[in-house]
Amino acid sequence: QKEVEQNSGPLSVPEGAIASLNCTYSDRGSQSFFWYRQYSGKSPELIMFIYSNGDKEDGRFTAQLNKASQYVSLLIRDSQPSDSATYLCAVKSYGYQKVTFGTGTKLQVIP
Amino acid sequence: EAGVAQSPRYKIIEKRQSVAFWCNPISGHATLYWYQQILGQGPKLLIQFQNNGVVDDSQLPKDRFSAERLKGVDSTLKIQPAKLEDSAVYLCASSSSGTSYEQYFGPGTRLTVT
Repeated sequence: QKEVEQNSGPLSVPEGAIASLNCTYSDRGSQSFFWYRQYSGKSPELIMFIYSNGDKEDGRFTAQLNKASQYVSLLIRDSQPSDSATYLCAVKSYGYQKVTFGTGTKLQVIP
Repeated sequence: EAGVAQSPRYKIIEKRQSVAFWCNPISGHATLYWYQQILGQGPKLLIQFQNNGVVDDSQLPKDRFSAERLKGVDSTLKIQPAKLEDSAVYLCASSSSGTSYEQYFGPGTRLTVT
């Protein structure tokens, strides 16, 4: 059974700080990694995806992938109260078409 | 570009009744997913279609849940009979074909079984 694990939080950071969200996965063959943001009562929204080792930056968001250690992280710079949401990590394994979601980490940005 | 459409947005039924949800994916998206999301948990894949064929339905409770995607476009998910533990948000998502697995979600249907 493929697993994706996240700390459920809540992770509280002050406004303007860097929020660091982590995700580990069990299948070494995983090849695609996604971060979704889900506001309370809303559906998930794709914010980042990464396929290769290293960093990928998009505005205030940076996704980091380390396949050797089997973790993927999301950094949010200059955190804003509007970033307060649950962040879902999703992983696609090589050879499988299914994407498996973690349980999500709740982020609270304190003004 | 229109997003993923779902209906109804909310549904309240009694246990043992039946219910159906409808989803229309983004135009041109070959892959369609149905997820169940229980409060406080991540989305759980129920069934995945590639065009009108089933790719994965390993977590679909087939004794009560069924889904179809006729003509490879819109899809329906049915529960019959419903149980209390089916209370959840049912999310539909779609992605384009090929190597892209970025999924785009609809607004979801919140089901309450009493």
